[in-house]
Order: sequence, then C-alpha cells, then structure tokens
Amino acid sequence: KNEVEQSPQNLTAQEGEFITINCSYSVGISALHWLQQHPGGGIVSLFMLSSGKKKHGRLIATINIQEKHSSLHITASHPRDSAVYICAVDNFGNEKLTFGTGTRLTIIP
Amino acid sequence: DTGVSQDPRHKITKRGQNVTFRCDPISEHNRLYWYRQTLGQGPEFLTYFQNEAQLEKSRLLSDRFSAERPKGSFSTLEIQRTEQGDSAMYLCASSLVADTQYFGPGTRLTVL
Repeated sequence: KNEVEQSPQNLTAQEGEFITINCSYSVGISALHWLQQHPGGGIVSLFMLSSGKKKHGRLIATINIQEKHSSLHITASHPRDSAVYICAVDNFGNEKLTFGTGTRLTIIP
Repeated sequence: DTGVSQDPRHKITKRGQNVTFRCDPISEHNRLYWYRQTLGQGPEFLTYFQNEAQLEKSRLLSDRFSAERPKGSFSTLEIQRTEQGDSAMYLCASSLVADTQYFGPGTRLTVL
C-alpha cells in the first residue's frame, strides 16, 4: 500500500463545476502539500498546510490530521485548471516529500 | 530571481554513456532536492542537500548516481553508465528549511 493515496485517478468535469480531489496518507506528517503539474512537467506548489484550511482564489485545501485526509477543492472550474494535481507529504521533519500518483483533471468547456 | 532553473531541459543519450544535469536553485534557498518522475507516476525522492552537505540519499540512488552541491549554490546530478530504466524526468526543487519547495522545469532524460 502506498503511503499517499489519491482519488480519483482521473476526473473529467464540465466548466463551472465544483471539483474535489482527495488524498489519504498513512504516515505521521509535519505538513501536506498540494502541487499542480501541467503537460511538459513543470510543477507549481499550490498549498502547504499542517492543519485546518487554506484558500487561494478559487482553490481551497483542507486537512484533517486525525483522519489523515486532505481535500483540494476548485470552485467554478475552468479549462485552464486542467492539469495533474499531486498530493505530497512531509514525513515528520524529514522534509523529503512522498508523493501520491496524482489526479488528472480535465475541464471541458 | 526567476525561480529554479535546470539544464538541459532534454537529454537523449545512448545506453552506457554518462550524463550530468545541473540545477540552479533560488538564490537564498539553503535546501536543494532531487526527484525522479517516470511516466504516469508521482515524483520519487532521490537526495537532498542543506547548503553543501548531502543529508540523505534514497535507496533508489544506485552507485551509478552521484550528486554534488560544492559551494552550497548550484547542484549537479551525474548518472554513469546509463541504462534504459534511467529514462525519466529529473526534477530539482529548492526551499528554505521547513518551507514550501519550489520546483524547476525538470530535465527529461531518454536513454536509447
């Protein structure tokens, strides 16, 4: 079993829909990261969180430390949101990231 | 400063050849990480530095792989006697301690 599991693996939605991507992990962590990867490989860090909730524009990330679960939400989705979204965890002060396999999101106009 | 840069962006080599990749981190960042990503998978940790000290190496990093960060600024990752299984995207990231990691564009290696 992978230490970081994401669901779904693939998600296709219509423009404007509310999107939720889930991440579960099995190890103790000091922080959880949500990353966005576009075709061609570039990775952008979206959020780093260790508790509660963070919001940036149309993106919201939440984490429940007790349940070892995090969600990434996208409101009013747009075709430019199409990308692979990757969850990664920081094992207790280790600071080397362990990554999930990613969720491929496609938003159809 | 425009972020983390990597060179080259693409490398095609024949099996058995040596290759070297370079990463230039964000200038004030003391942490530098190397990851490898194969098609359809998330990145996997290879090694990381704090300043010039290499603090950890993954078991994925065979003795054909070596990484350096000689002056605590740029880093190089060398692969000796490349194998087809080494074909992947090699990603570099940098950060301050316990802070967000910023990723470079990656070097895509193809071993023929």
